[in-house]
Amino acid sequence: EVQLVESGGGLVQPGGSLRLSCVVSGFTFSRLAMSWVRQAPGKGLEWVSGIRIGGGDTYYADSVKGRFTVSRDDSTNTLYLQLNSLRVEDTALYSCSTWYGTGIYYDYWGPGTLVTVSS
Amino acid sequence: DTVMTQSPLSSPVTLGQPASISCRSSQSLVHSDGNTYLTWLHQMPGQPPRPLIHHTSSRFSGVPDRFSGSGAGTDFTLKISRVETEDVGVYYCMQATHFPHTFGQGTRLEIK
Repeated sequence: EVQLVESGGGLVQPGGSLRLSCVVSGFTFSRLAMSWVRQAPGKGLEWVSGIRIGGGDTYYADSVKGRFTVSRDDSTNTLYLQLNSLRVEDTALYSCSTWYGTGIYYDYWGPGTLVTVSS
Repeated sequence: DTVMTQSPLSSPVTLGQPASISCRSSQSLVHSDGNTYLTWLHQMPGQPPRPLIHHTSSRFSGVPDRFSGSGAGTDFTLKISRVETEDVGVYYCMQATHFPHTFGQGTRLEIK
């Protein structure tokens, strides 16, 4: 069974940085394209970023472009999201998901890691 | 960006009765590869989203057959033939045809 587990969230001041991780097990990670999705408290889902197989192509929502960077390490089955220049409005539960590669798409989701941006 | 508009935003339903949620996209969701990447997800409080339907009308493994998806182009519908207690929560449509991938606002299903 495919499992995704995020970590790295926490409390950070505005302007600060965090690096989130998502470890994937139960599937050959190098064959997966992955995405990050976030959900602010009490709000809906917002797609944040995606990265294709191989890592050569990355995509971002306009709200995070230039501040967030997605990357992957296929040797450790880990997806990353570097969050810089954090704003209060970036406060959310950040979850990773399998974009494609399993035969379907967006079929597996992690429980998420909470990022709180506050002074 | 492709705007996904769901209606209704709240749906009180009687147990055993049908429910229907509409999702409209601001542009066609037909990808250049011929596929339509429209997904429906269900989220209960404190839980990650659970995918229900992919490619407009295909159920994910383990999803009860009371859930069905239909539509094409810009108009899509999720139907529950007979609502059960475990169906409460928020339903989202999502498109993965165009970047950025986008979600609808969510529809809260509650039991009357």
